[in-house]
Amino acid sequence: DQQVKQNSPSLSVQEGRISILNCDYTNSMFDYFLWYKKYPAEGPTFLISISSIKDKNEDGRFTVFLNKSAKHLSLHIVPSQPGDSAVYFCAASGGGGADGLTFGKGTHLIIQP
Amino acid sequence: DTEVTQTPKHLVMGMTNKKSLKCEQHMGHRAMYWYKQKAKKPPELMFVYSYEKLSINESVPSRFSPECPNSSLLNLHLHALQPEDSALYLCASSLAGDYGGYTFGSGTRLTVV
Repeated sequence: DQQVKQNSPSLSVQEGRISILNCDYTNSMFDYFLWYKKYPAEGPTFLISISSIKDKNEDGRFTVFLNKSAKHLSLHIVPSQPGDSAVYFCAASGGGGADGLTFGKGTHLIIQP
Repeated sequence: DTEVTQTPKHLVMGMTNKKSLKCEQHMGHRAMYWYKQKAKKPPELMFVYSYEKLSINESVPSRFSPECPNSSLLNLHLHALQPEDSALYLCASSLAGDYGGYTFGSGTRLTVV
């Protein structure tokens, strides 16, 4: 049973436009959510996170929105740049920390020039 | 120092070999994690250490044996592995009891022959 779902395996966006990556979760105990960017054969690189007490967190070109009632979060990247092409993982955790992350299957973002 | 360092980066081992993966961090994090990632799959949690004590073992086979000698080091001892254990093994660390600074290493690419 997948507790964190990223239903789009891939997404293609033109350079300069907005990229929106979506993530849904089923476990209501999750209270912290993170987005990671990953290149092949490398470890995930942290991008941005959000606590369940917030509905939005912004850091430069990256904004994460959380809709708790819908158990849905999204990552907005604007403007999209060629270097943003990578696999993006949504991850969730609960229980106060130090209990590991549950990852979605990832979305491969391709930025077209 | 804001990094998690994993060695070796690549490892090829036979099914009768014994080898160890190493992970080190000097960020004062008191929670450390091992994840396994197969190709085109998300990272999957294997073990969690909190304050040098094993707190989570996600039903990992005994041919994988974790060890946390001190607050900065985490090892994964490997013995009698199978070819299907070939994967990218990722170490991560974070502030225990908090999600702060959840950082991944770049991983060890393990091939079992």
